[in-house]
Amino acid sequence: KAGVTQTPRYLIKTRGQQVTLSCSPISGHRSVSWYQQTPGQGLQFLFEYFSETQRNKGNFPGRFSGRQFSNSRSEMNVSTLELGDSALYLCASTLRAEGGYEQYFGPGTRLTVT
Amino acid sequence: AQSVSQHNHHVILSEAASLELGCNYSYGGTVNLFWYVQYPGQHLQLLLKYFSGDPLVKGIKGFEAEFIKSKFSFNLRKPSVQWSDTAEYFCAVTGNTGKLIFGQGTTLQVKP
Repeated sequence: KAGVTQTPRYLIKTRGQQVTLSCSPISGHRSVSWYQQTPGQGLQFLFEYFSETQRNKGNFPGRFSGRQFSNSRSEMNVSTLELGDSALYLCASTLRAEGGYEQYFGPGTRLTVT
Repeated sequence: AQSVSQHNHHVILSEAASLELGCNYSYGGTVNLFWYVQYPGQHLQLLLKYFSGDPLVKGIKGFEAEFIKSKFSFNLRKPSVQWSDTAEYFCAVTGNTGKLIFGQGTTLQVKP
């Protein structure tokens, strides 16, 4: 099976702009989670989507939003970019295994805000 | 508050040395525990997981971890490390959801 794919892999934006990142989960996986990874804050949970519905949300401002489509593909959007939004954004595809959930990560999108 | 604490931020070992990375968590209710590894230039990979049952779990590449409920710990071990184990290691916890809470990570450097 193909793994989690994320596009684009690298992105450079200017403060004040907005950005949309895309994630395609592993075939058959219906849940997608998003994380932000920075050297200072580490890996932080953004949100989780299941069957086109947001199921969990982390402690990020409303500038961060997401959605999921009927084919389980997901997008996240960051509006009014700030320098501090520079990070690696990771998407994880979730498999419901016996006893719990396993998450498989994509390669990430490296966002640089200048 | 839900949190994960990894004891060591940077560990340097020689090849063939034994490894133990500490992880403690604070989480109410049933927990699922994970160790992920991020090799240089690669994406996060699942090393091993604990859902229930035998508290000693084995993962890929010879790694194992022990869940000690009374100590809220899930330490990662490997009897003999190799240069190829150089990577960053993350401990993570979740309840029965897709929200993972990660520790700050431990950078392991193995000297040949």
